Amino acid sequence: SQELEQSPQSLIVQEGKNLTINCTSSKTLYGLYWYKQKYGEGLIFLMMLQKGGEEKSHEKITAKLDEKKQQSSLHITASQPSHAGIYLCGAGKAAGNKLTFGGGTRVLVKP
Amino acid sequence: KAGVTQTPRYLIKTRGQQVTLSCSPISGHRSVSWYQQTPGQGLQFLFEYFSETQRNKGNFPGRFSGRQFSNSRSEMNVSTLELGDSALYLCASSPQDRSGGNTIYFGEGSWLTVV
Repeated sequence: SQELEQSPQSLIVQEGKNLTINCTSSKTLYGLYWYKQKYGEGLIFLMMLQKGGEEKSHEKITAKLDEKKQQSSLHITASQPSHAGIYLCGAGKAAGNKLTFGGGTRVLVKP
Repeated sequence: KAGVTQTPRYLIKTRGQQVTLSCSPISGHRSVSWYQQTPGQGLQFLFEYFSETQRNKGNFPGRFSGRQFSNSRSEMNVSTLELGDSALYLCASSPQDRSGGNTIYFGEGSWLTVV
């Protein structure tokens, strides 16, 4: 079965600084999802990557899927307090909506 | 367009009881999946329904069951509740089969506490 490992598990950044979260898969990624979660709430969709080398951006968040399709990174530029939360990567097979998730990365932004 | 709606948002049950959680997917979405989130195990897949048929199933005991109706709304049921079933249960919906590259959206979740 596929396993996803996220690093770091948590990080604290000063407001205005950049941060990067990594998601490494034990198998080839067919589709990689990034979500953000506030504690006790639902998952907010950020981005989905499917092709090796693909890169997507939304506001100050950029996600990349490496060429070999076994690792993805999420980069936040000039972090703000609103970026605080838990970031989760999820992946699955080509068909069906069964996702395996990483353990999550807890981000705290200090004003 | 309304998002994925889950009811109830919070509930408390006693060990041995059963519980039913409801999920209304985004209009037009045919796939509904359920996940359990706990501090110890993280986010784990329970099952997925597509056009009223269970298409995928996670590694959970038979006490956990679900179904999907013709309008794509879904329910999940947990019988003979155990303390370890206390968790946030999340429902997700997507328009079609993932081979088409569709996006999976999650609801706010149902918090279940078993006492």
